Amino acid sequence: EPEVTQTPSHQVTQMGQEVILRCVPISNHLYFYWYRQILGQKVEFLVSFYNNEISEKSEIFDDQFSVERPDGSNFTLKIRSTKLEDSAMYFCASSTLGLAGDYEQYFGPGTRLTVT
Amino acid sequence: RKEVEQDPGPFNVPEGATVAFNCTYSNSASQSFFWYRQDCRKEPKLLMSVYSSGNEDGRFTAQLNRASQYISLLIRDSKLSDSATYLCVVNMNTGNQFYFGTGTSLTVIP
Repeated sequence: EPEVTQTPSHQVTQMGQEVILRCVPISNHLYFYWYRQILGQKVEFLVSFYNNEISEKSEIFDDQFSVERPDGSNFTLKIRSTKLEDSAMYFCASSTLGLAGDYEQYFGPGTRLTVT
Repeated sequence: RKEVEQDPGPFNVPEGATVAFNCTYSNSASQSFFWYRQDCRKEPKLLMSVYSSGNEDGRFTAQLNRASQYISLLIRDSKLSDSATYLCVVNMNTGNQFYFGTGTSLTVIP
């Protein structure tokens, strides 16, 4: 069964450093997403991406964040200058648009980012 | 008002019981509704989409009430493996920006 993969599973970085989180979405999916989940809190939408451009983004997704699809398979999230409050689990998801207009998203296992 | 609200629980039910969760959403223009389950420190896994006519998948039944802006999930004949946090997910307006509820915790007891 196809699945979304993410690397690394755990990233530790120092405050102010740049990090790139990587995802390989399901191959025939067209929409890609990043979410974060701070420990003990709810899943929060960051950004959606379609046709090589950002489709929607939340207030969390400020100028410190960027996304890219550098080739036909990878989808990346870059945090330019990490802050302590960026520590969270980051989930990538992908979906295809069903006939009913639904976006059934399938999530990767996540990257746990720890900023020290 | 929060975009998506759920009773956090916890719900502790015996095996074989029927349990129901509700979720309310604030945006009347929302078009896509889902239930996900999340096990501790794992990714959300799609349980089912929720359609206007209601839908059923085995022991799971989902309903949508647009007039009252809530969705529900019914689990019949609970199994130990149903123990998880159940997440209500709704899109904002008609696009692909999604709001998650805080989740409802379910523990099925032997």
